[in-house]
Amino acid sequence: ETGVTQSPTHLIKTRGQQVTLRCSSQSGHNTVSWYQQALGQGPQFIFQYYREEENGRGNFPPRFSGLQFPNYSSELNVNALELDDSALYLCASRPAGGSADTQYFGPGTRLTVL
Amino acid sequence: QKEVEQDPGPLSVPEGAIVSLNCTYSNSAFQYFMWYRQYSRKGPELLMYTYSSGNKEDGRFTAQVDKSSKYISLFIRDSQPSDSATYLCAMKDSSYKLIFGSGTRLLVRP
Repeated sequence: ETGVTQSPTHLIKTRGQQVTLRCSSQSGHNTVSWYQQALGQGPQFIFQYYREEENGRGNFPPRFSGLQFPNYSSELNVNALELDDSALYLCASRPAGGSADTQYFGPGTRLTVL
Repeated sequence: QKEVEQDPGPLSVPEGAIVSLNCTYSNSAFQYFMWYRQYSRKGPELLMYTYSSGNKEDGRFTAQVDKSSKYISLFIRDSQPSDSATYLCAMKDSSYKLIFGSGTRLLVRP
């Protein structure tokens, strides 16, 4: 086990709705990244949070937003859902200054948009 | 053109075979190279992590990086049915984000 948990496991929404996905990191892991993995594709970087501030973003529109909390939990919010948002959403956490080999992924939340 | 290209497979081999998985990339700034294993309905699990060119061995797994050719490989010796999964290559430059290949599905037949 990686110590990174995500909820819910599965979620079904309709186009235009809003969704919040949650991630709980290991204690001491104050850097969290979110990735989107479409079916049959590799994960794509959405954004990263460090000490509750966004400090890096991939090619995703502003309707993808996040929050990070002092208790090592974080959220990914997606507004105005589109069909193409259907994917597995992964969070990954690591300690500050840690390299990629100290980064651990959660099991993901599978979002289906109808 | 994608920054990282990976053959999607599926790759089917008999138990005990040597498996070779490969990725090519276009960004010469990539310095860190990783291989992840992802089982169905699970998150990616880091298998190998290498910096720059060369080989790295860990048990049955060997990772190779050839920066001059922009080509990385993962070899699995004595493959087992439990190795059946999707294998993702990933790489990064000095920044924070990982760039993944699309993954290769591997099936090891008993």
